[in-house]
Amino acid sequence: SQTIHQWPATLVQPVGSPLSLECTVEGTSNPNLYWYRQAAGRGLQLLFYSVGIGQISSEVPQNLSASRPQDRQFILSSKKLLLSDSGFYLCAWSVPQYNQPQHFGDGTRLSIL
Amino acid sequence: GIQVEQSPPDLILQEGANSTLRCNFSDSVNNLQWFHQNPWGQLINLFYIPSGTKQNGRLSATTVATERYSLLYISSSQTTDSGVYFCAVGTDSGAGSYQLTFGKGTKLSVIP
Repeated sequence: SQTIHQWPATLVQPVGSPLSLECTVEGTSNPNLYWYRQAAGRGLQLLFYSVGIGQISSEVPQNLSASRPQDRQFILSSKKLLLSDSGFYLCAWSVPQYNQPQHFGDGTRLSIL
Repeated sequence: GIQVEQSPPDLILQEGANSTLRCNFSDSVNNLQWFHQNPWGQLINLFYIPSGTKQNGRLSATTVATERYSLLYISSSQTTDSGVYFCAVGTDSGAGSYQLTFGKGTKLSVIP
């Protein structure tokens, strides 16, 4: 069966520091991959999605970037964190076909001080 | 973009009661999912239901795509049902993918 892993689970970073969050999927090939952010008390917002290695689409302008160096690895990065980057970040995957459900990891809770 | 509205925003139930959560969306969608976010933040897939009716234990869901709404039914609620319930609709992003647009959720509290 397929599984999705995110780490770290919790992260506290100072303003201006770099960021790297990692997501990996097991048990499937060529998945679609997604990064979402959830601000406190709100719904999820799609940040990036990828349909293949090196292919990244951004949904909102921001201080973050994403990369997909391997088929089942998706990385969310920032060179300099802002206070507004605080939130709960979730990675998701789906099979590479239309109209398929997305499955979420357990998330990373990021606090910026 | 597409709008997703969930109601009610908050719901308090006595253990054992039944409830109906509603999700309205503003345009045609390729996909619709219901999630339960537990107190630890985990998003649990409840239903993938672009149309029709599905049941899983005490939960069931119905989507009427032509009228652009979906309902989630919770029967005989338990304290472990507490959390936030999200409806998310999928629209075509092109390039073989689609994005999920989430509603703001219904916060459910089940009290003993």
